[in-house]
Amino acid sequence: DTAVSQTPKYLVTQMGNDKSIKCEQNLGHDTMYWYKQDSKKFLKIMFSYNNKELIINETVPNRFSPKSPDKAHLNLHINSLELGDSAVYFCASSQSGGRGYTFGSGTRLTVV
Amino acid sequence: AQSVSQHNHHVILSEAASLELGCNYSYGGTVNLFWYVQYPGQHLQLLLKYFSGDPLVKGIKGFEAEFIKSKFSFNLRKPSVQWSDTAEYFCAAKPNTGTASKLTFGTGTRLQVTL
Repeated sequence: DTAVSQTPKYLVTQMGNDKSIKCEQNLGHDTMYWYKQDSKKFLKIMFSYNNKELIINETVPNRFSPKSPDKAHLNLHINSLELGDSAVYFCASSQSGGRGYTFGSGTRLTVV
Repeated sequence: AQSVSQHNHHVILSEAASLELGCNYSYGGTVNLFWYVQYPGQHLQLLLKYFSGDPLVKGIKGFEAEFIKSKFSFNLRKPSVQWSDTAEYFCAAKPNTGTASKLTFGTGTRLQVTL
């Protein structure tokens, strides 16, 4: 069973479109994250939710809106996609009090 | 703000050579430290982690790292690399201050092992 699963794995879309990426974890963790990895492989945190509550919100354009319907799911919706949004987006989860993170396999978003 | 520095951006080694990748962090308090590996086209996998106790940490695939508090360092080592170790290696640090603390990554080191 995949611990942290993201869908889709690949996403190619045109500029201006709206798209969503979904993430689910079956580890029973209470905290989930979205990270963005750019073309230079740099990983930067975007958002973090703990028990469905937003606790970290980095300087991210408000075209990006995370949603956590329950603590096992954290989705990322992106409006009006731009070329610069092309990247690999990784979902991760952890348990507060524990200190390890488990990452999903990533979603490669290409905006054309 | 906390930061993590990896000074080696691209390292090329022959098989069986020894490896040491540098990692320094800037945070005055207690931190949890990690090394992740990302094989080409794949996701991040945890190699090893340090929370407390013995500063020499052993991880998977023969990797180890040493936490030196006085130097704010957590260097990754392997005595003899293999071609299959070709990957991107990321050091990461997280202040031990609760749920809202962030896991911050270094810029990564690309390791290329030649036959």
